[in-house]
Amino acid sequence: SQTIHQWPATLVQPVGSPLSLECTVEGTSNPNLYWYRQAAGRGLQLLFYSVGIGQISSEVPQNLSASRPQDRQFILSSKKLLLSDSGFYLCAWSRRDSGELFFGEGSRLTVL
Amino acid sequence: DAKTTQPPSMDCAEGRAANLPCNHSTISGNEYVYWYRQIHSQGPQYIIHGLKNNETNEMASLIITEDRKSSTLILPHATLRDTAVYYCIGHAGNNRKLIWGLGTSLAVNP
Repeated sequence: SQTIHQWPATLVQPVGSPLSLECTVEGTSNPNLYWYRQAAGRGLQLLFYSVGIGQISSEVPQNLSASRPQDRQFILSSKKLLLSDSGFYLCAWSRRDSGELFFGEGSRLTVL
Repeated sequence: DAKTTQPPSMDCAEGRAANLPCNHSTISGNEYVYWYRQIHSQGPQYIIHGLKNNETNEMASLIITEDRKSSTLILPHATLRDTAVYYCIGHAGNNRKLIWGLGTSLAVNP
C-alpha cells in the first residue's frame, strides 16, 4: 500500500532563519507531488506542483522554493523565513492530474 | 473548476445520519464532485467522488441531484471520530486548479 510521510511535524523558527520540510512517498512510482499551505481560517493554497524529478511548477509568488531530487521525495525550502510564512504545510501525491489526492500528516510552522 | 458553497457548520447526534449539503450550480458537464474531510491538525482525507450517479463506499454515500447543481454527502451512522471539516470540490480533471473553500465543520455530539 502507498504511504506518505512529511517531517518535522512542528517547527518554531525565528524570522530570517532557513527552512526545510521533507516529504516522501512509498509504494508508488512517478507520483504527482504537491505542497499546500493552510493559514488559520483559510482554505488550502497550492504552492508547488511536480510531475517528475527536477520538474517544479510554482503556483504563487512567494518566499519559498521546492525541489524534487528523487522520484518520491519532495522538499520545501526557504533561505529566510518571514512572519507570513507561518502556517500548516501539507504535502500530497496523486497518481495523475485528475486522481484523488493523498495527504501527509502536515507540518505546523510558526515563525517568530 | 466550479465554485462550491457549503454551510460553515453543522451538528449531528452520534449514531444518527449526517447529511452535508453542497451547492455547485456552475458545475460543468465534465466536472466531478469530490469530497474530502480534514480532522483537526491532520491532512485532508479523500472520501468519495461522483459525476452524476449516486455513489457509495465504505465511508459514505454521495447523492447528486439530477441537474447536478447540488449534492449531499451522507454519513449513515455518525461517530465522534467523524467530527471534522468536510470539503466539497468541483473537479474538472486537474488537481492544480482545485479551489478549496472553508468547508463545513461537522460536530458529532454524544
